Amino acid sequence: ETGVTQTPRHLVMGMTNKKSLKCEQHLGHNAMYWYKQSAKKPLELMFVYSLEERVENNSVPSRFSPECPNSSHLFLHLHTLQPEDSALYLCASSQLWTLTDTQYFGPGTRLTVL
Amino acid sequence: GENVEQHPSTLSVQEGDSAVIKCTYSDSASNYFPWYKQELGKRPQLIIDIRSNVGEKKDQRIAVTLNKTAKHFSLHITETQPEDSAVYFCAATFWGEWGAQKLVFGQGTRLTINP
Repeated sequence: ETGVTQTPRHLVMGMTNKKSLKCEQHLGHNAMYWYKQSAKKPLELMFVYSLEERVENNSVPSRFSPECPNSSHLFLHLHTLQPEDSALYLCASSQLWTLTDTQYFGPGTRLTVL
Repeated sequence: GENVEQHPSTLSVQEGDSAVIKCTYSDSASNYFPWYKQELGKRPQLIIDIRSNVGEKKDQRIAVTLNKTAKHFSLHITETQPEDSAVYFCAATFWGEWGAQKLVFGQGTRLTINP
């Protein structure tokens, strides 16, 4: 599959569970991003990785833990989430991040926290 | 602070008419303004963008205008078609922590094209 892929597409978890979201980009890009999309709210940037180094963190709660093992893969580890964390989590990538190149989004993971 | 205001939140137009969505931003240093389209259940996709050294850019039925002095930019869709129905997001670059730029998005506009 080309472009940016995300798994799983849907996830339901309890507040005590631990789960991980996976993102993979097949575009040869050097920057990857996690966004949160909630109903009636703008897309919120959570994390930015450039060349596998984290460069931006918008004061995201520690129950969200990102991991970027290489430039093609990005994970978001989730633990002890709250119901208000239910949202669509979008991954994106771009060639470079400092030049704000076009960001290509994945299809998202629809997360429901019970 | 980092802020992008987008209006209207919903817009309904007759097929064939034009649609205009407006955004304002707070930082005069912002220099890149993309527009994304998100169809129902699908991922956001870039449809057009403009940089601060350009006042207007056009791509077929879609155009974007930028007024740096007033700090606002607009998306214009002409001869609208049913497939234009989607949520449209504007965005602007802001300098985040560690001296790096990032995109801040507007709240989105749900555009409905009525046949």
